[in-house]
Amino acid sequence: EPEVTQTPSHQVTQMGQEVILRCVPISNHLYFYWYRQILGQKVEFLVSFYNNEISEKSEIFDDQFSVERPDGSNFTLKIRSTKLEDSAMYFCATASGVSYNEQFFGPGTRLTVL
Amino acid sequence: GENVEQHPSTLSVQEGDSAVIKCTYSDSASNYFPWYKQELGKRPQLIIDIRSNVGEKKDQRIAVTLNKTAKHFSLHITETQPEDSAVYFCAASSLYNNNDMRFGAGTRLTVKP
Repeated sequence: EPEVTQTPSHQVTQMGQEVILRCVPISNHLYFYWYRQILGQKVEFLVSFYNNEISEKSEIFDDQFSVERPDGSNFTLKIRSTKLEDSAMYFCATASGVSYNEQFFGPGTRLTVL
Repeated sequence: GENVEQHPSTLSVQEGDSAVIKCTYSDSASNYFPWYKQELGKRPQLIIDIRSNVGEKKDQRIAVTLNKTAKHFSLHITETQPEDSAVYFCAASSLYNNNDMRFGAGTRLTVKP
């Protein structure tokens, strides 16, 4: 069964550094999402992406965040200048868009900002 | 925007008992309501979902009910087993909002053997 994959599984970075989190969607999926989960808290929506542009973003997704699909396969989340409070698990999710809304989650990237 | 409330935050049951988790949502345009199970350190896994055109759905020991008028939906787990122990999240989304999902705060279910 095809799965969403994410790399790296764990990223440790210094405050102020840029990080890029990568996701490989399921091949025929057209809708892409990033979510964040701070340890012990709920899953929070960051951004949705369709047809090579952002469809919706939450208040968390400020100017420090960006997404792109640089090569038609990978879907990336960039944090330009990381803050301590960016430490969290970041999940990518994708959906086919053919029928209702079911989203498939990747295994997540644990980001630790020191 | 959509706001999803989930209760209780923790739930402890004896093996074999039933567990019920409840969620409410605010946006009447929401039409898809999935439930995810998350084990420690793992990704959320979809366990059951319901669409707004039905009121109830069942899959073996798991069932979900939806009351569109009251804007609430519930997860029912019968004959609970220790391996059901996890955090359960409800969520709501709408086709009209690009399927962006909003999650509840989660319920930590503990099934005691």
